[in-house]
This record gives sequence, structure tokens and C-alpha cells, in this order.
Amino acid sequence: DVKVTQSSRYLVKRTGEKVFLECVQDMDHENMFWYRQDPGLGLRLIYFSYDVKMKEKGDIPEGYSVSREKKERFSLILESASTNQTSMYLCASRPTGNTEAFFGQGTRLTVV
Amino acid sequence: GENVEQHPSTLSVQEGDSAVIKCTYSDSASNYFPWYKQELGKRPQLIIDIRSNVGEKKDQRIAVTLNKTAKHFSLHITETQPEDSAVYFCAANGAGSYQLTFGKGTKLSVIP
Repeated sequence: DVKVTQSSRYLVKRTGEKVFLECVQDMDHENMFWYRQDPGLGLRLIYFSYDVKMKEKGDIPEGYSVSREKKERFSLILESASTNQTSMYLCASRPTGNTEAFFGQGTRLTVV
Repeated sequence: GENVEQHPSTLSVQEGDSAVIKCTYSDSASNYFPWYKQELGKRPQLIIDIRSNVGEKKDQRIAVTLNKTAKHFSLHITETQPEDSAVYFCAANGAGSYQLTFGKGTKLSVIP
């Protein structure tokens, strides 16, 4: 069974804090993704990575950065959290090719 | 980049009736089209997918159809049950792309 695990289910952070969201997958997938989920807006891609140390911007990268130092781990960083970054964040991993993406359980981040 | 439109945004059906959700995509080179189901408080999970060399695929009460000429694909659920109530997302994978582009989701409610 593929496992994609996010480090926290719920987080509350203050405006201006630097926030780290961690994601780990155990299936040796090349590709990893960070999505943001908001009601009525679906799943929007923030960043993705197709290899260690490689990253590509998605549709809404502003205010975020990522790090992938090891194949199994992909981190999302909010450099200076703002209230409009309050959202559900979903990590996913996927092998190369036209195949299924596997999602983590999500992190609900609240910025106050 | 790819753009995926999904309709309707909400759908209510009586138990036992059929439900149809439709998606259109913009990139004619897209070649992989998955459907995900997200139950309340849970992660999205793949329920069925179709590749561009196939026009229709069935799995028990669920079917997906693809019209490449019109660039649209649809999810059909027959004999709906209360446990089918969830948010459903369609997605498309452009040729040569690592990422899936998602529609905004359809909230399906099955009324007992």
C-alpha cells in the first residue's frame, strides 16, 4: 500500500511566521506535488518536483517555496505566513508516466 | 497550460438514480484522465481513470467516457447509494507533463 504522510493534520500559526509543511512517501516515486484546496476552487497546484533538488512552479507559487533534498521527502515552506494562506494543503506523489497520484491526508493550516 | 472545467458544481440525486458529471479540457495532447473521490475529511482517492486510446471504461456501477474530438469526458454513476455522497474531481494530464490539472469539483449528495 502506497503511503503518503503529512507531518500534521492541523496547524495554527501567527501572521509573519515561517511555516514548514512536511510530506513523506514510501514508494520511491519520482514526482511529488503540493496542492492547495479551497471551497469552490478545487485543487490548485503550488509547486511540484520531478527529482531530488528539482522544482517547478505550479499555478499559485507566490508566497511559497519548496525543498526536496531526499527523494522521499518534499517540504512546503511559507516564508512569512499571511491570513490568506489559511487553507487545506495536500501533498501527492506519483511515479513517472500516466498513472495514479496518491494523496496525503492533508494539513489544515490556520494563520491568525 | 492545461485548463479543466467541471460541471455541475453540486448535484443532488435520489438513491437509486444515476449521476453524471462532465469535464472539458483544453490541451488536445492530454492523454490521461483520472477521477478522484473525496469523502468528507478524507484524502482524494482514485476511483477510475481512462487513457486517450480508449473511449469508455467501466468498473461495476462507475463508468467514464471520453470524447477526444470534443475534448470532454464524463463520469457516470448508476444505482447511486448514500455512500456515493462525496466531492468528485476530474483531472487531465497533458502529454509530456508531470502534473495533473484538476477541475473544481462536484459535490454529489445522494438522498435516501
